[in-house]
Amino acid sequence: EIVLTQSPGTLSVSPGERATLSCRASQSVRSIYLAWYQQKAGQAPRLLIYGASNRATAIPDRFSGSGSGTDFTLTISRLEPEDFAVYFCQQYGSSPPTFGQGTKVEV
Amino acid sequence: EVQLVESGGDLVQPGRSLRLSCTASGFIFDNYAMHWVRQAPGKGLEWVSGITWNRGAIDYADSVKGRFTISRDSAKNSLYLQMNSLRVDDTALYYCAKGEKVRGGLILTHFDYWGQGTLVTVSS
Repeated sequence: EIVLTQSPGTLSVSPGERATLSCRASQSVRSIYLAWYQQKAGQAPRLLIYGASNRATAIPDRFSGSGSGTDFTLTISRLEPEDFAVYFCQQYGSSPPTFGQGTKVEV
Repeated sequence: EVQLVESGGDLVQPGRSLRLSCTASGFIFDNYAMHWVRQAPGKGLEWVSGITWNRGAIDYADSVKGRFTISRDSAKNSLYLQMNSLRVDDTALYYCAKGEKVRGGLILTHFDYWGQGTLVTVSS
């Protein structure tokens, strides 16, 4: 199975700053099959990005995804207070679908 | 509005069984693959099992293969997970998730909606 490694484990940033989250795969992922999810404390995950760079419905444009092959990035251009959460990447191009261990974005 | 509501979680002893349910609304249930994903306390997400819209494909994580069985009931718009021979490391919040693609498979489609989860605790 494809193992996804996210870094850093925790990212400390201030509101208004830029956050860059990394997701590295153990083998190449077809880029259209890479997603990012946001999970706030006590809540279910919410889809942010699919196909490596496509924003899901109602996701603000401060969220962007990029990358290909084994290296993918989620960028939050200007952090809002509601963006402090845990972010997971997922590959769904090969079985089984797998998730990274998450990056916590905190103040 | 798409809604997924899980139920059935409980505290059970190791070796016992439990059946989880997920009731879906707000979309044509018969058209989409459905999945179970779990999250152990303080941990990340682990895909557990999936079933296609027509039950043509079913798959399981190696960690649950042979112990868990996924099924779906079109008449009740419901997804199920029968969990047998439960182990302490099955303790987790179990989420039901919907595949995004109409009549899609178990892979090649992300999960666009998730339920709030139901907690399974396995302990003696």
